[in-house]
Amino acid sequence: SQQGEEDPQALSIQEGENATMNCSYKTSINNLQWYRQNSGRGLVHLILIRSNEREKHSGRLRVTLDTSKKSSSLLITASRAADTASYFCATSRYNQGGKLIFGQGTELSVKP
Amino acid sequence: DAGVIQSPRHEVTEMGQEVTLRCKPISGHDYLFWYRQTMMRGLELLIYFNNNVPIDDSGMPEDRFSAKMPNASFSTLKIQPSEPRDSAVYFCASSPRGIEITDTQYFGPGTRLTVL
Repeated sequence: SQQGEEDPQALSIQEGENATMNCSYKTSINNLQWYRQNSGRGLVHLILIRSNEREKHSGRLRVTLDTSKKSSSLLITASRAADTASYFCATSRYNQGGKLIFGQGTELSVKP
Repeated sequence: DAGVIQSPRHEVTEMGQEVTLRCKPISGHDYLFWYRQTMMRGLELLIYFNNNVPIDDSGMPEDRFSAKMPNASFSTLKIQPSEPRDSAVYFCASSPRGIEITDTQYFGPGTRLTVL
Protein backbone atom coordinates (compact mmCIF):
# COMPACT_ATOMS: atom_id res chain seq x y z
CA SER A 1 0.00 0.00 0.00
CA GLN A 2 1.09 3.59 -0.47
CA GLN A 3 3.11 5.34 2.15
CA GLY A 4 1.19 8.45 3.11
CA GLU A 5 -2.42 7.76 3.97
CA GLU A 6 -4.63 10.75 4.61
CA ASP A 7 -7.74 10.89 6.68
CA PRO A 8 -10.45 11.80 6.45
CA GLN A 9 -10.98 11.02 2.78
CA ALA A 10 -13.48 13.86 2.57
CA LEU A 11 -14.22 16.81 4.82
CA SER A 12 -17.00 19.38 4.53
CA ILE A 13 -17.00 22.52 6.66
CA GLN A 14 -18.42 26.04 6.74
CA GLU A 15 -16.41 29.09 5.80
CA GLY A 16 -14.56 30.44 8.82
CA GLU A 17 -14.15 27.07 10.49
CA ASN A 18 -10.82 25.29 10.85
CA ALA A 19 -10.00 22.21 8.79
CA THR A 20 -7.68 19.48 10.01
CA MET A 21 -6.32 16.72 7.82
CA ASN A 22 -4.08 13.89 8.93
CA CYS A 23 -1.43 11.83 7.21
CA SER A 24 0.25 8.64 8.34
CA TYR A 25 3.29 7.01 6.81
CA LYS A 26 5.22 3.80 7.26
CA THR A 27 8.98 4.32 7.01
CA SER A 28 11.61 6.86 8.04
CA ILE A 29 11.47 10.09 6.11
CA ASN A 30 13.68 13.00 5.11
CA ASN A 31 10.78 15.41 5.00
CA LEU A 32 7.01 15.52 4.58
CA GLN A 33 5.24 17.91 2.23
CA TRP A 34 1.66 18.97 1.68
CA TYR A 35 0.23 19.76 -1.74
CA ARG A 36 -3.09 21.19 -2.88
CA GLN A 37 -4.91 20.26 -6.04
CA ASN A 38 -7.76 22.37 -7.33
CA SER A 39 -10.23 20.60 -9.58
CA GLY A 40 -8.77 20.03 -13.02
CA ARG A 41 -5.36 21.43 -12.11
CA GLY A 42 -1.91 20.15 -11.20
CA LEU A 43 -0.71 19.80 -7.63
CA VAL A 44 0.77 22.86 -5.96
CA HIS A 45 3.31 22.66 -3.15
CA LEU A 46 2.08 24.26 0.09
CA ILE A 47 4.52 23.57 2.87
CA LEU A 48 7.40 21.29 3.82
CA ILE A 49 8.42 20.05 7.24
CA ARG A 50 11.72 18.28 7.84
CA SER A 51 12.08 15.19 9.95
CA ASN A 52 13.83 17.14 12.73
CA GLU A 53 11.04 19.74 12.94
CA ARG A 54 7.84 19.37 14.93
CA GLU A 55 5.74 22.28 13.78
CA LYS A 56 5.73 24.78 10.96
CA HIS A 57 3.52 27.70 10.01
CA SER A 58 2.81 29.45 6.73
CA GLY A 59 0.03 32.01 6.71
CA ARG A 60 -3.17 30.18 7.68
CA LEU A 61 -1.46 26.79 7.44
CA ARG A 62 -0.02 24.92 10.37
CA VAL A 63 1.72 21.59 9.94
CA THR A 64 2.82 19.26 12.70
CA LEU A 65 4.99 16.19 12.49
CA ASP A 66 5.28 13.37 14.99
CA THR A 67 8.01 11.02 13.81
CA SER A 68 7.44 8.63 16.73
CA LYS A 69 3.88 8.07 15.53
CA LYS A 70 4.80 8.49 11.86
CA SER A 71 2.05 11.01 11.39
CA SER A 72 1.48 14.60 10.33
CA SER A 73 -1.44 16.97 10.40
CA LEU A 74 -2.33 19.98 8.29
CA LEU A 75 -4.50 22.65 9.88
CA ILE A 76 -6.10 25.37 7.79
CA THR A 77 -7.46 28.12 10.00
CA ALA A 78 -10.35 30.43 9.16
CA SER A 79 -11.13 28.49 6.00
CA ARG A 80 -12.43 30.18 2.86
CA ALA A 81 -14.45 28.87 -0.06
CA ALA A 82 -11.27 29.20 -2.14
CA ASP A 83 -9.63 26.53 0.05
CA THR A 84 -11.93 23.95 -1.52
CA ALA A 85 -9.54 21.44 -3.07
CA SER A 86 -7.90 18.08 -2.54
CA TYR A 87 -4.94 17.99 -0.19
CA PHE A 88 -2.14 15.44 -0.45
CA CYS A 89 0.72 14.61 1.82
CA ALA A 90 3.95 13.37 0.27
CA THR A 91 7.02 11.89 1.90
CA SER A 92 10.62 12.11 0.84
CA ARG A 93 12.99 9.36 1.94
CA TYR A 94 16.77 9.52 2.13
CA ASN A 95 17.40 6.63 -0.26
CA GLN A 96 14.70 7.47 -2.80
CA GLY A 97 16.77 9.81 -4.94
CA GLY A 98 14.29 12.61 -5.49
CA LYS A 99 11.12 10.54 -5.46
CA LEU A 100 8.05 11.52 -3.42
CA ILE A 101 5.42 9.09 -2.22
CA PHE A 102 1.96 10.65 -2.34
CA GLY A 103 -1.06 9.66 -0.31
CA GLN A 104 -4.58 9.29 -1.62
CA GLY A 105 -5.62 12.79 -0.57
CA THR A 106 -8.34 14.48 1.47
CA GLU A 107 -11.10 16.23 -0.44
CA LEU A 108 -11.97 19.44 1.39
CA SER A 109 -15.19 21.32 0.68
CA VAL A 110 -15.65 24.74 2.28
CA LYS A 111 -19.19 26.02 2.02
CA PRO A 112 -19.76 29.78 1.92
CA ASP B 1 9.51 31.23 -15.39
CA ALA B 2 6.58 29.67 -17.26
CA GLY B 3 6.49 26.62 -15.03
CA VAL B 4 6.16 23.08 -16.29
CA ILE B 5 4.53 23.01 -19.70
CA GLN B 6 2.51 20.08 -20.96
CA SER B 7 0.88 19.47 -24.31
CA PRO B 8 -1.68 18.74 -25.41
CA ARG B 9 -4.02 19.73 -22.58
CA HIS B 10 -6.73 17.43 -23.85
CA GLU B 11 -6.48 14.42 -26.11
CA VAL B 12 -9.29 12.25 -27.38
CA THR B 13 -8.33 9.23 -29.40
CA GLU B 14 -9.64 5.87 -30.44
CA MET B 15 -8.53 2.56 -29.07
CA GLY B 16 -5.46 1.27 -30.85
CA GLN B 17 -4.07 4.67 -31.76
CA GLU B 18 -0.68 5.94 -30.66
CA VAL B 19 -0.70 8.80 -28.16
CA THR B 20 2.26 11.05 -27.38
CA LEU B 21 2.25 13.39 -24.41
CA ARG B 22 4.87 16.10 -24.12
CA CYS B 23 6.49 17.91 -21.24
CA LYS B 24 8.90 20.80 -20.86
CA PRO B 25 10.29 20.97 -17.31
CA ILE B 26 11.37 24.11 -15.50
CA SER B 27 14.79 25.17 -16.67
CA GLY B 28 17.57 23.97 -14.37
CA HIS B 29 15.56 21.22 -12.70
CA ASP B 30 17.39 17.91 -12.39
CA TYR B 31 14.43 15.59 -12.03
CA LEU B 32 11.40 14.93 -14.21
CA PHE B 33 8.45 12.79 -13.19
CA TRP B 34 5.45 11.36 -15.07
CA TYR B 35 2.30 10.59 -13.07
CA ARG B 36 -1.12 9.26 -13.92
CA GLN B 37 -4.22 10.19 -11.92
CA THR B 38 -7.56 8.42 -11.93
CA MET B 39 -10.44 8.34 -9.49
CA MET B 40 -9.95 4.64 -8.87
CA ARG B 41 -6.17 4.53 -8.40
CA GLY B 42 -5.33 8.05 -7.33
CA LEU B 43 -1.96 9.54 -8.26
CA GLU B 44 0.51 6.96 -9.57
CA LEU B 45 4.17 7.58 -10.37
CA LEU B 46 4.92 6.03 -13.76
CA ILE B 47 8.59 6.88 -14.31
CA TYR B 48 11.16 9.48 -13.34
CA PHE B 49 14.40 10.80 -14.77
CA ASN B 50 17.49 12.35 -13.23
CA ASN B 51 19.64 14.40 -15.60
CA ASN B 52 17.79 12.84 -18.56
CA VAL B 53 18.46 9.27 -17.40
CA PRO B 54 15.51 7.04 -16.39
CA ILE B 55 15.93 6.09 -12.74
CA ASP B 56 12.80 4.14 -11.89
CA ASP B 57 10.23 2.91 -14.39
CA SER B 58 8.63 0.35 -12.11
CA GLY B 59 5.33 2.24 -12.27
CA MET B 60 4.97 1.94 -16.03
CA PRO B 61 1.92 -0.29 -16.39
CA GLU B 62 3.05 -2.37 -19.35
CA ASP B 63 5.10 -2.42 -22.51
CA ARG B 64 2.59 -0.23 -24.28
CA PHE B 65 3.97 2.70 -22.29
CA SER B 66 7.35 4.24 -23.00
CA ALA B 67 9.02 7.49 -21.96
CA LYS B 68 12.03 9.35 -23.22
CA MET B 69 13.99 12.41 -22.24
CA PRO B 70 16.30 13.26 -25.13
CA ASN B 71 17.51 16.48 -23.48
CA ALA B 72 17.10 18.52 -20.32
CA SER B 73 14.19 20.54 -21.67
CA PHE B 74 11.92 17.92 -23.19
CA SER B 75 10.30 14.60 -22.37
CA THR B 76 7.64 12.44 -23.99
CA LEU B 77 5.34 9.73 -22.71
CA LYS B 78 4.04 7.46 -25.45
CA ILE B 79 1.24 4.93 -25.34
CA GLN B 80 1.05 2.50 -28.25
CA PRO B 81 -1.50 1.06 -28.76
CA SER B 82 -3.84 2.99 -26.48
CA GLU B 83 -6.72 1.32 -24.64
CA PRO B 84 -9.83 2.76 -22.92
CA ARG B 85 -8.37 1.92 -19.50
CA ASP B 86 -5.53 4.36 -20.22
CA SER B 87 -8.01 7.22 -19.91
CA ALA B 88 -6.71 9.44 -17.13
CA VAL B 89 -5.03 12.75 -16.41
CA TYR B 90 -1.28 12.55 -16.97
CA PHE B 91 0.92 14.96 -15.06
CA CYS B 92 4.51 15.88 -15.58
CA ALA B 93 6.46 17.38 -12.68
CA SER B 94 10.01 18.61 -12.26
CA SER B 95 12.19 19.08 -9.24
CA PRO B 96 15.45 20.83 -8.46
CA ARG B 97 17.70 18.77 -6.23
CA GLY B 98 19.87 21.65 -5.16
CA ILE B 99 22.03 21.86 -2.09
CA GLU B 100 19.10 21.66 0.31
CA ILE B 101 17.55 18.36 -0.60
CA THR B 102 13.83 18.98 -0.37
CA ASP B 103 12.56 17.05 -3.40
CA THR B 104 9.76 19.59 -3.81
CA GLN B 105 8.01 18.99 -7.10
CA TYR B 106 6.44 21.46 -9.49
CA PHE B 107 3.55 20.10 -11.49
CA GLY B 108 2.34 20.93 -14.94
CA PRO B 109 -1.37 21.46 -15.69
CA GLY B 110 -1.82 17.90 -16.92
CA THR B 111 -3.06 16.23 -20.09
CA ARG B 112 -6.54 14.77 -19.93
CA LEU B 113 -6.53 11.67 -22.11
CA THR B 114 -9.71 9.98 -23.24
CA VAL B 115 -9.45 6.75 -25.19
CA LEU B 116 -12.70 5.73 -26.83
